[in-house]
Amino acid sequence: EVQLLESGGGLVQPGGSLRLSCAASGFSFSNYAMIWVRQAPGKGLEWVSAIRGGGDNTYYADSVKGRFTISRDNSRNTLYLQMSSLRADDSAVYYCAKGFGSGNYYSDYWGQGTLVTVSS
Amino acid sequence: DIQLTQSPSFLSASVGDRVTITCRASQGISSYLAWFQQTPGKAPKLLMYAASTLQSGVPSRFSGSGSGTEFTLTISSLQPEDFATYYCQQLKNYPFTFGPGTKVDIK
Repeated sequence: EVQLLESGGGLVQPGGSLRLSCAASGFSFSNYAMIWVRQAPGKGLEWVSAIRGGGDNTYYADSVKGRFTISRDNSRNTLYLQMSSLRADDSAVYYCAKGFGSGNYYSDYWGQGTLVTVSS
Repeated sequence: DIQLTQSPSFLSASVGDRVTITCRASQGISSYLAWFQQTPGKAPKLLMYAASTLQSGVPSRFSGSGSGTEFTLTISSLQPEDFATYYCQQLKNYPFTFGPGTKVDIK
C-alpha cells in the first residue's frame, strides 16, 4: 500500500525557514517523480515544485523559485522541501504527491498534508 | 504560464443529476490534463488523467473529454459522495497549474 506522510510543518516568523519532509512507503521510491502542492486556508490548489525520480531535474512555481528547494534522499525514501525567506502568503497546507513514473508528474497518491503558518 | 479557468465556479445539484464542469486553458495543452476531487479536510483524489482516462478505482459515472484548450468532466448520475470541489490541472508546461476549482453542492 502506497503511503506518504508529511512532517515538519508549524508556526514560523516571516523571513524564517522550515524544512518539510515526506516519508514514502509501499513503492519503489527512486522510480517515481515526486511533487509538492499547497493549499492556503479556504483557497484552491497551487502546484509548488517537482523532482524526477533520480533527483536530477527539479521544477518550481515562480512564486517560490529562489526561496524553496526540493530534494530527495532515495536511500531513505524521503522527499524534502526546504523553505526559506518565508512570507505570510506561504501559509498553507503542504501536500506531497507521487507521480506516475520517474518523469511523469500526474499525481496519483497524496499525503494528508502538513500545515505551515507564517506569522509574527 | 498556462492559465486554467473553470466554469461554473459553483454548482448546485441533486442526487441523480447529470453534471458537467468545463476547464479551459489559455493555450493548447493537447491532452495533458488531470481532474481531481477534494472534500473538506482531505487530500485531493485523482479522477482522470490524459483528459479522458479514468484512474483506477474511480467509478465509471465519471468521464472526461476534450483536447487543446477545452475540456469537460461529466458525472452521469450524481451520488451523495460526489459533493465536493473539483479541480483541473494542466501538465503540458511547467509550472503545472491548477484551475480555480468548481464546488458542487447539494440543492
